[in-house]
Amino acid sequence: EPEVTQTPSHQVTQMGQEVILRCVPISNHLYFYWYRQILGQKVEFLVSFYNNEISEKSEIFDDQFSVERPDGSNFTLKIRSTKLEDSAMYFCASSPDKLSNQPQHFGDGTRLSIL
Amino acid sequence: AQTVTQSQPEMSVQEAETVTLSCTYDTSESDYYLFWYKQPPSRQMILVIRQEAYKQQNATENRFSVNFQKAAKSFSLKISDSQLGDAAMYFCAYRAPEYGNKLVFGAGTILRVKS
Repeated sequence: EPEVTQTPSHQVTQMGQEVILRCVPISNHLYFYWYRQILGQKVEFLVSFYNNEISEKSEIFDDQFSVERPDGSNFTLKIRSTKLEDSAMYFCASSPDKLSNQPQHFGDGTRLSIL
Repeated sequence: AQTVTQSQPEMSVQEAETVTLSCTYDTSESDYYLFWYKQPPSRQMILVIRQEAYKQQNATENRFSVNFQKAAKSFSLKISDSQLGDAAMYFCAYRAPEYGNKLVFGAGTILRVKS
């Protein structure tokens, strides 16, 4: 079964540094998402992306965050100047289209640790 | 705003027994979709089951079934013949076209399975 792939599985970064989290969505999917889960807390929506532009973003997704689909397969989340509170599990997800009955398929996540 | 509430932070079940996890949600929409995701200790997000709000019939996937009460805005998950591999965090999630198709998650319920 096709999978959403995320790299790296664990990223350790110094506070203030830039970090890029990578995702390869399922190949025929058109909608892409990033979610965040701070340890012990619920999963929170960050951003959705469709047709090479942001569809929706949450209030968490401020100016230090950006997303990009640099080629036909990768979908990246960049955090420009990391803060301690950015430490979390980051999940990428994709779905075939925007119909709500289509489930979002999640990657295994990237654990981001900010020191 | 759409909210999802899971009132049970933790539940325990004996192996081979049945357990029900509760979920309630708040929405003014008539068109929406509900999901249960499982998150084992590895922290992957695995889709367990989904329910379309327009369907009266409760969804079933093998040992997993839901009790969807639309008027009460309740969406509980029943796990029959519980297995050790069912031990995980379970998240209830809501998704609606009117709100950009992002998933809104509950706080989660930790399920422990005793042998």
